[in-house]
Amino acid sequence: AQTVTQSQPEMSVQEAETVTLSCTYDTSESDYYLFWYKQPPSRQMILVIRQEAYKQQNATENRFSVNFQKAAKSFSLKISDSQLGDAAMYFCAYRNTGNQFYFGTGTSLTVIP
Amino acid sequence: ETGVTQSPTHLIKTRGQQVTLRCSSQSGHNTVSWYQQALGQGPQFIFQYYREEENGRGNFPPRFSGLQFPNYSSELNVNALELDDSALYLCASSLKGGHYGYTFGSGTRLTVV
Repeated sequence: AQTVTQSQPEMSVQEAETVTLSCTYDTSESDYYLFWYKQPPSRQMILVIRQEAYKQQNATENRFSVNFQKAAKSFSLKISDSQLGDAAMYFCAYRNTGNQFYFGTGTSLTVIP
Repeated sequence: ETGVTQSPTHLIKTRGQQVTLRCSSQSGHNTVSWYQQALGQGPQFIFQYYREEENGRGNFPPRFSGLQFPNYSSELNVNALELDDSALYLCASSLKGGHYGYTFGSGTRLTVV
């Protein structure tokens, strides 16, 4: 079974600084998708960024980028120029070819003014 | 473009009862998935529907069942409610089985007493 591990329950960053959130996953598949979602107190999950496993190039979305290491099964999220609105729970998620999603336990990010 | 809407937002049920949660997909999305998120945990995948057929299921017992309608809206039904079913239930919709990530609703908070 696939598992997703987020080893940092809580992280903090100074406003305008850079922070990296870690995620590792376990799978025997070669074709899959990885996602980072943000969940603010409003509860609604918001897609931050996605990565297709067959693409070696790391995905980027404005201030958000990933470091995808397929062999190491690692998928970290880097947030540059952190803003107060970035404060939220961040979940790493894995989707397999069987259309099953697996989420990590989340990292709570605090942005310090 | 409308997002994903879920109803009701909050619900209290008694152990042993049955509950139906509803979800309206984002316009144009033909795939719906459901998740259970216990307090302080990441979402757990329940199942996914694509064009009215279940095409992916997580490790949930058969008393968790669902439907997708021709307009791609969906229902989650839970029979014989247990105290551990208390959680936030999230619905998400997507195109083409979720390759591009999901748009989530704000969830239904179910409390079983």
